[in-house]
Amino acid sequence: GAGVSQSPRYKVAKRGQDVALRCDPISGHVSLFWYQQALGQGPEFLTYFQNEAQLDKSGLPSDRFFAERPEGSVSTLKIQRTQQEDSAVYLCASSSQSSPGQTYEQYFGPGTRLTVT
Amino acid sequence: KNQVEQSPQSLIILEGKNCTLQCNYTVSPFSNLRWYKQDTGRGPVSLTIMTFSENTKSNGRYTATLDADTKQSSLHITASQLSDSASYICVVSAVAAGNKLTFGGGTRVLVKP
Repeated sequence: GAGVSQSPRYKVAKRGQDVALRCDPISGHVSLFWYQQALGQGPEFLTYFQNEAQLDKSGLPSDRFFAERPEGSVSTLKIQRTQQEDSAVYLCASSSQSSPGQTYEQYFGPGTRLTVT
Repeated sequence: KNQVEQSPQSLIILEGKNCTLQCNYTVSPFSNLRWYKQDTGRGPVSLTIMTFSENTKSNGRYTATLDADTKQSSLHITASQLSDSASYICVVSAVAAGNKLTFGGGTRVLVKP
């Protein structure tokens, strides 16, 4: 079975452009997470889906960030009117967790490196 | 605010030597603590997961310890190999935080021949 895949792997955007980052989770995984990782830092939580429901979006830094998972599988993170401070690696992770309280494993994709010029 | 602090920030060791990385956290109420290895340009890969009742867990040459009373964890790498060169990230989950993980800043380890 394939792991979590993300595309594109690298994205260069001019300031003000909109970008869309894609995540393909492991087949059958109900939970999907997005993280933002600045250079030399640990990842920071952005948002979490269980199936198609976005249960937590408290980490999204501004209303320019939007995530969706309409069919409970593939997810897209969209950033509107990109700014230089949006430059980071965006990681996606998926998990088979089916109920709260379990100690579940999260499997990470390779990330998309976004550079805003 | 829940926080995870790691030390040292970076570390250089010679191949074959041992090293220990430290993690202190203030996440509460504690649910579990994980150590991840992140190679350059890749996503993190899980090494160990420990719950409150576990105070040590091994994965090959990696051994993690947990002291939930002092809120400290360590990751010991035995007989380091060149392939151990990576960032090692301590991650803590709180009971009330649902599925949200709090990541430390990582320790960058470089193993030299």
